[in-house]
Amino acid sequence: GEDVEQSLFLSVREGDSSVINCTYTDSSSTYLYWYKQEPGAGLQLLTYIFSNMDMKQDQRLTVLLNKKDKHLSLRIADTQTGDSAIYFCAVPGGTSYGKLTFGQGTILTVHP
Amino acid sequence: DAMVIQNPRYQVTQFGKPVTLSCSQTLNHNVMYWYQQKSSQAPKLLFHYYDKDFNNEADTPDNFQSRRPNTSFCFLDIRSPGLGDAAMYLCATSGLKSGNEKLFFGSGTQLSVL
Repeated sequence: GEDVEQSLFLSVREGDSSVINCTYTDSSSTYLYWYKQEPGAGLQLLTYIFSNMDMKQDQRLTVLLNKKDKHLSLRIADTQTGDSAIYFCAVPGGTSYGKLTFGQGTILTVHP
Repeated sequence: DAMVIQNPRYQVTQFGKPVTLSCSQTLNHNVMYWYQQKSSQAPKLLFHYYDKDFNNEADTPDNFQSRRPNTSFCFLDIRSPGLGDAAMYLCATSGLKSGNEKLFFGSGTQLSVL
């Protein structure tokens, strides 16, 4: 099955850029997703990228996709304390309709 | 606003006492999912409904069941909760348009088992 890996922790200062990395194994994925989860809450879709794109920018968020290396990254510019959360990379996996396989999540901590 | 609503927000049950978690959606999506998320772990898919078709994941314990009486509602039944079933349960929906598996999640139900 699909395997999705993320680093567990990232700590940055307010105003700096954050880069969260993700690797996956299934090369047939069409869309790849980033979700954000605040403490005690559900998952919020942040952004996604179609697999024929290398980059997608959405305000402070930039997604980079290296399909050859099966590497996905999320860059948050001008990181704010409100960005502190867990960020999940998610990749379609298996034959089930809409089944997403999530990475284990990266805990982003933003220091003032 | 169109959304996915889960009730209750927090649920406490006793070991072995059946419990039902609820999810409703106003998005008119044809697919509804139940994910289990334990502390500091990735969400894990338990099962999903594609319209009325139930799809169980191979490793989902028999203790977990689901019902979808109509498009808007989906229930998760835990027949005999064990201590290991304490987790956040997340409901999600998807319209599956153009092969985009974009999922919309509810706020989750945090289940405690005493």
